[in-house]
Amino acid sequence: EVQLVQSGAEVKKPGESLKISCKGSGYSFTTYWIGWVRQMPGKGLEWMGIIYPSDSDTRYSPSFQGQVTISADKSISTAYLQWSSLKASDTAIYYCARTLDAGTFDYWGQGTLVTVSS
Amino acid sequence: EIVLTQSPATLSLSPGERATLSCRASQSVGSYLAWYQQKPGQAPRLLIYDASNRATGIPARFSGSGSGTDFTLTISSLEPEDFAVYYCQQCRNWLLTFGGGTKVEIK
Repeated sequence: EVQLVQSGAEVKKPGESLKISCKGSGYSFTTYWIGWVRQMPGKGLEWMGIIYPSDSDTRYSPSFQGQVTISADKSISTAYLQWSSLKASDTAIYYCARTLDAGTFDYWGQGTLVTVSS
Repeated sequence: EIVLTQSPATLSLSPGERATLSCRASQSVGSYLAWYQQKPGQAPRLLIYDASNRATGIPARFSGSGSGTDFTLTISSLEPEDFAVYYCQQCRNWLLTFGGGTKVEIK
């Protein structure tokens, strides 16, 4: 069974750093892209970027380029999303999702709620 | 960036009725369009990929059609569990984008 299990909810202060994770199982982690999607409170879905764990080829949405870093450790089948300096506007649920070649997200993690507040 | 516009924003229907959701792209995406369902407190779920192919385990009452810039998701007869928010997403290129969503609510 394909599963993506994300790390737990986080509460952080503005300016702090953060790295959240997404662990894949039940499939060959290195042969599918992993994407990250943001959902701000009460809002829609926004694509942030994707990574190919086999060679760490990474592509970002222009809206998120320079704001976050996506990485992966194929040895432990885990992808990451990190911030160096959080802002209140980063408060959202972040989903990881397995991505088919054409960019369709077929399996999703349960989401990680990130709350940034002073 | 390809912009996807979904309409209507909200659809108020009764169980058993037919739901027709629209997604329009700012430029052609061919058949590279997917539909997702999201219920409160849950992650999105893939319904349709490549415009008209049902994902694994998706009931036959869900169907997708269209190509180029105009797409439709049809739910032939609404079940109580179908009341949710639906998003389209294009994957014509690697600048992936989602539509703003259509909420299907109980009338």
